[in-house]
Amino acid sequence: AQKITQTQPGMFVQEKEAVTLDCTYDTSDPSYGLFWYKQPSSGEMIFLIYQGSYDQQNATEGRYSLNFQKARKSANLVISASQLGDSAMYFCAMREVNTGNQFYFGTGTSLTVIP
Amino acid sequence: DAGVIQSPRHEVTEMGQEVTLRCKPISGHDYLFWYRQTMMRGLELLIYFNNNVPIDDSGMPEDRFSAKMPNASFSTLKIQPSEPRDSAVYFCASSLRGQGYTEAFFGQGTRLTVV
Repeated sequence: AQKITQTQPGMFVQEKEAVTLDCTYDTSDPSYGLFWYKQPSSGEMIFLIYQGSYDQQNATEGRYSLNFQKARKSANLVISASQLGDSAMYFCAMREVNTGNQFYFGTGTSLTVIP
Repeated sequence: DAGVIQSPRHEVTEMGQEVTLRCKPISGHDYLFWYRQTMMRGLELLIYFNNNVPIDDSGMPEDRFSAKMPNASFSTLKIQPSEPRDSAVYFCASSLRGQGYTEAFFGQGTRLTVV
């Protein structure tokens, strides 16, 4: 089974609108971290936001928030007030604390912000 | 800190040649990961190290690939002999263990082209 599933290969959003990028995960480890990365066309991997499995509140970082629904095993990224510079690939990742500590990445979602 | 440093940034080589990619992780990080990114297969984990010891190399595609980490500040990924299908962007990333809540810091990547 896939550890991380991103079902949206491509998404479009109007500038200044909000957009949600979906991510579901699969683990039996009670301790894990969930991460989102942005990869612009220049190629670098930029860390955006983190959510821990024991965190009670959803993580927020500026215009980014993570909608964490533990029972559903989902960790959707919400970008508010989209900007043209948000156009990029977005990757969801998970790190299991008690099982190897490696990072599992999804296949990514390509986001295009339309002016 | 300068971040994760990879060299070279670009490499063009002929089929059959040996290729060595280099990585300097962030000082103090005890995990080092090598990833390969292609359009077809996305971001694949090739191998990762903990405290300089290889933990999981199941992602290494075949015996032509090898990786070493002789000390905490240096790692290499070698392909010998190289083939056109090895053309990809290779990322090195490092991280602390941190009970799952420390992100992976990525290098800028090495774009390898095998002709």
